[in-house]
Amino acid sequence: DVKVTQSSRYLVKRTGEKVFLECVQDMDHENMFWYRQDPGLGLRLIYFSYDVKMKEKGDIPEGYSVSREKKERFSLILESASTNQTSMYLCASRYGISTDTQYFGPGTRLTVL
Amino acid sequence: SQQGEEDPQALSIQEGENATMNCSYKTSINNLQWYRQNSGRGLVHLILIRSNEREKHSGRLRVTLDTSKKSSSLLITASRAADTASYFCATDSFWAGSYQLTFGKGTKLSVIP
Repeated sequence: DVKVTQSSRYLVKRTGEKVFLECVQDMDHENMFWYRQDPGLGLRLIYFSYDVKMKEKGDIPEGYSVSREKKERFSLILESASTNQTSMYLCASRYGISTDTQYFGPGTRLTVL
Repeated sequence: SQQGEEDPQALSIQEGENATMNCSYKTSINNLQWYRQNSGRGLVHLILIRSNEREKHSGRLRVTLDTSKKSSSLLITASRAADTASYFCATDSFWAGSYQLTFGKGTKLSVIP
């Protein structure tokens, strides 16, 4: 079974801190994604990557950056956390260029105080 | 980016009843997928239906797709309390050199024992 893991289930940070969210997948998938999920807004794509060192902006990239140094690992970085970045963050991975099944991690609930 | 819209936003039924959720979208698609999310967890892929298919079954799940109406429905038969979750449809769109999934806001299903 494909496994997508995220470094933390719950995280509490202070405004202005630099925050790293890590995601690792074990199925050699080319594509990896970061979403945030907020009540009433559904899932919104922040960034995605279709190869090592490649990244593309999604719908809401402002205030975020990403890093993909190895194929299995995709990191989301909040350079200076703000309270409006309090949210559930979901990582996903997928094989190939077609939109087949995406596999999601368990999510990280981030609270910025 | 286009977004699927689920209807209803919330649905409450008795155990044993059938649950029907609908999804509408705006542009042409290659496929449409349904995902399930238990409270506070990641999304799990349920079923994928391609644009040239009209109906698909998987266990107690039945998905239909009407591309002329740009709509899909997910039917869960003989519901169980364990089916309580949020259900999302996802449609694909070509973006930044590859296909991306765009998720709707979800239908929250409550199955009462």
